[in-house]
Amino acid sequence: EVQLLESGGGLAQPGGSLRLSCAASGFTFTSYAMSWVRQAPGKGLEWVSGISGSAGSTYYADSVRGRFTISRDNSKNTLYLQMNSLRVEDTAVYHCAKTVGPTKGYFDYWGQGTLVTVSS
Amino acid sequence: DIVMTQSPDSLAVSLGERATINCKSSQSVLYSSNNKNYLAWYQQKPGQPPKLLISWASTRESGVPDRFSGSGSGTDFTLTISSLQAEDVAVYYCHQYYSAQYTFGQGTKLEIK
Repeated sequence: EVQLLESGGGLAQPGGSLRLSCAASGFTFTSYAMSWVRQAPGKGLEWVSGISGSAGSTYYADSVRGRFTISRDNSKNTLYLQMNSLRVEDTAVYHCAKTVGPTKGYFDYWGQGTLVTVSS
Repeated sequence: DIVMTQSPDSLAVSLGERATINCKSSQSVLYSSNNKNYLAWYQQKPGQPPKLLISWASTRESGVPDRFSGSGSGTDFTLTISSLQAEDVAVYYCHQYYSAQYTFGQGTKLEIK
């Protein structure tokens, strides 16, 4: 059974940093691209960042490029999102999502998400 | 970026009636080399992560009831629920994966009339 378990969310001040993790199990982690998708309270889905299975390619939404860094440790079956220079508008539930293949594609499994709140 | 626009933003349909949600992309998501539309539909219920319903514009995922269907090509797509059930109350999103800069529609909230 595929499982994705996010952690690392919490309260951060504007300009601060947080590091999110997503522990994956139930599939061959290195064979699949992964993404982070966020949802602000009461709002829709926003794709944030993606990484290929080999970690050779990374992609970012314009809203986070230069502030967030996606990475993965295939030996630990874990996806990360380093979030720096946080803004109030980064407040959201952050989901990790598994892609159907090693590069781009649709998301067949999602985690429950971890809440990030940016406030002074 | 490819902009995805859904219509309507909200929809109220009687039980047993048809529900139709539209999704339009700002550029074609049809990949000519394989003739596939890189378009998926998700259902999200309150407090839950999104659930994949349809991929490649019209391929229903295993376990998804056959009252859900997807159609369209190029830039215009439709999600149809043929006979609305109470458990279909949710927000529905389209998603393009043609570009690695993925984008979602703004969502359509489906309610019972």
